[in-house]
Amino acid sequence: AQSVTQLGSHVSVSEGALVLLRCNYSSSVPPYLFWYVQYPNQGLQLLLKYTTGATLVKGINGFEAEFKKSETSFHLTKPSAHMSDAAEYFCAVSDPDFGNEKLTFGTGTRLTIIP
Amino acid sequence: ETGVTQTPRHLVMGMTNKKSLKCEQHLGHNAMYWYKQSAKKPLELMFVYNFKEQTENNSVPSRFSPECPNSSHLFLHLHTLQPEDSALYLCASSQGPYGGGVADTQYFGPGTRLTVL
Repeated sequence: AQSVTQLGSHVSVSEGALVLLRCNYSSSVPPYLFWYVQYPNQGLQLLLKYTTGATLVKGINGFEAEFKKSETSFHLTKPSAHMSDAAEYFCAVSDPDFGNEKLTFGTGTRLTIIP
Repeated sequence: ETGVTQTPRHLVMGMTNKKSLKCEQHLGHNAMYWYKQSAKKPLELMFVYNFKEQTENNSVPSRFSPECPNSSHLFLHLHTLQPEDSALYLCASSQGPYGGGVADTQYFGPGTRLTVL
């Protein structure tokens, strides 16, 4: 079985500061990894995904994540936070045994931006 | 309408009521999903449909009954729910196993906020 751990249920950063949201996974086989964002009263929106190839993945809104197999991590970063980044962020891993239908999500990290 | 829509957005029901949640996708996808999002818990996959056939039932209680009449519509019929069933119910769609390829992306609707009294 796969699992995802997001360290820190709440993260606060100042506007303009670096955003770092942590995600670690466990998987017996190389997984596909995803970051989703959920704005208030909205569904989840895909930020970026890693499948194969380049381990540094760039997504929308200036976010990027790096797959580090040795650390089983897929941390999300953004160099300079913007007020509009305030939202909840979910890391997810797909289960290869079930194709890509079965996503296992972390518990989410709520990002607050301090003016 | 674009993307994935869900109605109603909010629903309050008693434990003896019967209600239905509706999801519609306008993306030409072949796979549809129901998720449950509770506070402080990871999203829980409930059901998966591919080409209108149910391919996943993640040990969901029978008081939740899904229906997928075609690839664009998905319903979740609710009856005799419990207060602990109060949550945000999210619908998603994707191209599916035969068209999605590597890491088929799921697109989510805005959810239905369900409160069971």
